[in-house]
Amino acid sequence: DTAVSQTPKYLVTQMGNDKSIKCEQNLGHDTMYWYKQDSKKFLKIMFSYNNKELIINETVPNRFSPKSPDKAHLNLHINSLELGDSAVYFCASSREAGVGNTIYFGEGSWLTVV
Amino acid sequence: AQKVTQAQTEISVVEKEDVTLDCVYETRDTTYYLFWYKQPPSGELVFLIRRNSFDEQNEISGRYSWNFQKSTSSFNFTITASQVVDSAVYFCALSNFNKFYFGSGTKLNVKP
Repeated sequence: DTAVSQTPKYLVTQMGNDKSIKCEQNLGHDTMYWYKQDSKKFLKIMFSYNNKELIINETVPNRFSPKSPDKAHLNLHINSLELGDSAVYFCASSREAGVGNTIYFGEGSWLTVV
Repeated sequence: AQKVTQAQTEISVVEKEDVTLDCVYETRDTTYYLFWYKQPPSGELVFLIRRNSFDEQNEISGRYSWNFQKSTSSFNFTITASQVVDSAVYFCALSNFNKFYFGSGTKLNVKP
């Protein structure tokens, strides 16, 4: 069983569309994250939820909206997609929030906006 | 401010060579954790090791070893007798509180 799974793995869409990426973890972790990896491989945190509560919200456009229906799921919805949104989006989880907790990543979702 | 620097953008070696990936970090915190992750060509991010700031013992796991030195704020990663399957981008990261700070990654090419 995949520990952190996200769908879809590949997504090609046109500018202006709205799309969602779903994420689920079966590790029993309390904390989940969304990271963005740009074309230069730089990884940057976008959001973090702990037990369904938002705890980290980096400087991300309002077009990005995370939703956590329960602590095992963290979805990412993106409105009005722009070319610059093209990236790999990684979902991740850790046992709990706080220093030292290892983050386990999903396989990534490759988003291409054309 | 927290910062992780991986000065080596890309390294190429021939199989069976030893290679060291450098990682230098900056933090004012006394409690922090350091990590290494591997991103193979298939794209997933794989956890390799975690080390806390109070444990400077070096660690060895098979062909992998890590050298943590607080005096130089470094957490270097050595692969002994490299193999083609080691080809990947390797990320060093620093964790404090709720955040991870990733370095920019080092791409390792191991040629047969």
